[in-house]
Amino acid sequence: QVHLVESGGGLVRPGGSLRLSCAASGFTFSDYYMSWIRQSPGKGLEWVSYISGTGDTIYYADSVRGRFTISRDNAKRSLYLQMNSLRAEDTALYYCARLIVRGIPNFDYWGQGTLVTVSS
Amino acid sequence: DVQMTQSPSSLSASVGDRVTITCRASQNIGTYLNWYQQRPGKAPKVLIYGASSLQRGVPSRFSASGSGTDFTLTISSLQPEDFATYHCHQTHTTPYTFGQGSKLEI
Repeated sequence: QVHLVESGGGLVRPGGSLRLSCAASGFTFSDYYMSWIRQSPGKGLEWVSYISGTGDTIYYADSVRGRFTISRDNAKRSLYLQMNSLRAEDTALYYCARLIVRGIPNFDYWGQGTLVTVSS
Repeated sequence: DVQMTQSPSSLSASVGDRVTITCRASQNIGTYLNWYQQRPGKAPKVLIYGASSLQRGVPSRFSASGSGTDFTLTISSLQPEDFATYHCHQTHTTPYTFGQGSKLEI
């Protein structure tokens, strides 16, 4: 059974940094693209970044490019998001999700999310 | 970026009703359109991928159609567990973008 568990969220001041982690189980982690998606309180979903199974293909939303870095450790079955220069508008629930890229790309499994609050 | 616009943003319905939610893309996305259900306090769950393909395990009362710029999600007979927020999502072009969500309430 596919299971994704995020951690690392918390309260951080503007300009600060935070590193999110996502522990995966129940599937061959290295075979799949993975992604981070966020949801601001009471708002819609915003895709943040994705990374290929080998880590050699990475894409970022414009809103985070240059500040956030996605990475993965296939030996540890873990996905990461290093977030620097955080802003108030980065406040959101951050989900990790498995991204299916064969056929029509879609996020077929999601974690429960970790909350990031950027406030002074 | 491809803008996704859903309507209505919210709607009230009753158990047994048939409801339809629409999603419009700002440019042609073919059938690169997915629908997700998000129950309160839970993560989204994919219902439909490729505009009309039902994800394994999703009840057949859910159906969807469309291509190009106009898409619909239909629930044929609402059940209590269907009261949730529904999101459309395009994966034709990066950045992948979502609609603003349609909240289905009793």
